[in-house]
Order: sequence, then C-alpha cells, then structure tokens
Amino acid sequence: QLQLQESGPGLVKPSETLSLTCTVSGGSISSRNYYWGWIRQPPGKGLEWIGNIYYSGITYYNSSLKSRVTISVDTSKNQFSLKLSSVAAADTAVYYCSKQTHYWGSLDFWGQGALVTVSS
Amino acid sequence: QSVLTQPPSVSGAPGQRVPISCSGSSSNIGAGYDVHWYQHLPGTAPKLLIYDNTNRPSGVPDRFSGSKSGTSASLVITGLQAEDEADYYCQSYDSSLSGSVFGGGTKLTVL
Repeated sequence: QLQLQESGPGLVKPSETLSLTCTVSGGSISSRNYYWGWIRQPPGKGLEWIGNIYYSGITYYNSSLKSRVTISVDTSKNQFSLKLSSVAAADTAVYYCSKQTHYWGSLDFWGQGALVTVSS
Repeated sequence: QSVLTQPPSVSGAPGQRVPISCSGSSSNIGAGYDVHWYQHLPGTAPKLLIYDNTNRPSGVPDRFSGSKSGTSASLVITGLQAEDEADYYCQSYDSSLSGSVFGGGTKLTVL
C-alpha cells in the first residue's frame, strides 16, 4: 500500500523559506502518469492546492503562489519537496503531500499532514 | 474566494438524503475536466470519495454518489449516518489557471 509522509520544521520565521519533504513508500515516485503534489489548509479555512510535479521534473503551480513556490523531486530517494519563500503568518497551515493521478486528476493518496507555523 | 463554489453548510437527519453542489465555469467543470470529491474529518487527511465525476474508490460505501452536468457537479449522500458528519470538498482542474482548484468546502451536520 502506498504511503506518504511529510517531514520538516514545524516553525518558520517570517520572511524565511518553508521547506518540507514528502517520502513515498510502497511504490515508486517514477511511476508513469502519476503526479506528486502539495496541498495546504490554513486554520479554519479550506483546502488550497499548491502545485505538483512529475518524476521528470514537469511542474504545475497555483498561480497565486507561483512566484514563491518551488517543487522538486529526488527519484533516487523516492522523495519530493516543497519550498515556499518569503513566508508570512498567512502561510501558517497544515501541509499535505499527495499522489495525483494526472496533472488534472484526483488526489488518491495523502500524507498525514504537517503543521507549519510562521512566527518569530 | 474559491473558483469552485460550494454551500458553506448543509444538514440532515439520520437516514435522509443530502446533496452538496459544486458550481464552476467554462474554464473548469464546463470545459470537461473531471470533478473529484473528498471527505475531511478534523485531524485526519482528506479521503477521496468520488473520482472522475461518478466513480467510487474501493471501500467507499455506495451511499455516496456523484454526478456532473454542464458547469456544475453534485455529491449526494443517501441514508445519512452520524459518521458522515465532516467537511466535503470538490476539486477540478482550471485551464485558465493551469492548475487544480478546490471548492471552499461544505460542512455537513447530521442532526
């Protein structure tokens, strides 16, 4: 069974860069047709799609975050990562990694989520 | 403001039928992109309920069904149970934004 697990600092200072890694187990991140994505949920708010990546490095980003987001993949480690620069309090959220069936498709496997708080 | 519009809340008594709507536009649902639905309980990861408009993943009860027409989609829960109390989100792809989009979410209360 495919499993995803987020890891990274739970506290980030304003104006710094948030970095999270998602480790995939039970399957290969190089599987064709699948994309690997990030979604977040600020406290008391709804889900927001951040972006996704194909094993070859093709990326799609949320247009509202595009200037600050970088998603990368490391196939040798079966991991993909999120970097969000110049963070502010509004970036405080639970961040989920997920498998997406296509770049337009459903999110059928999710990590447990990682709370990241932006505060000095 | 979400690209896909859902009612903030719905409610129903046990055993009842509850629909949840998801309204989009010509750049997402109306463009033919599939709609997917998720159930989200506090403190857990969202769970895929319906994919590609009408399909249920293995293990999802047939009390949950999805449909799509024009620029809108709908999730219907029949035989409502207390355990169905959760937040529900629709998701699709938007060609103008070149990315996936979620609805604002609907909180289902079982009376």
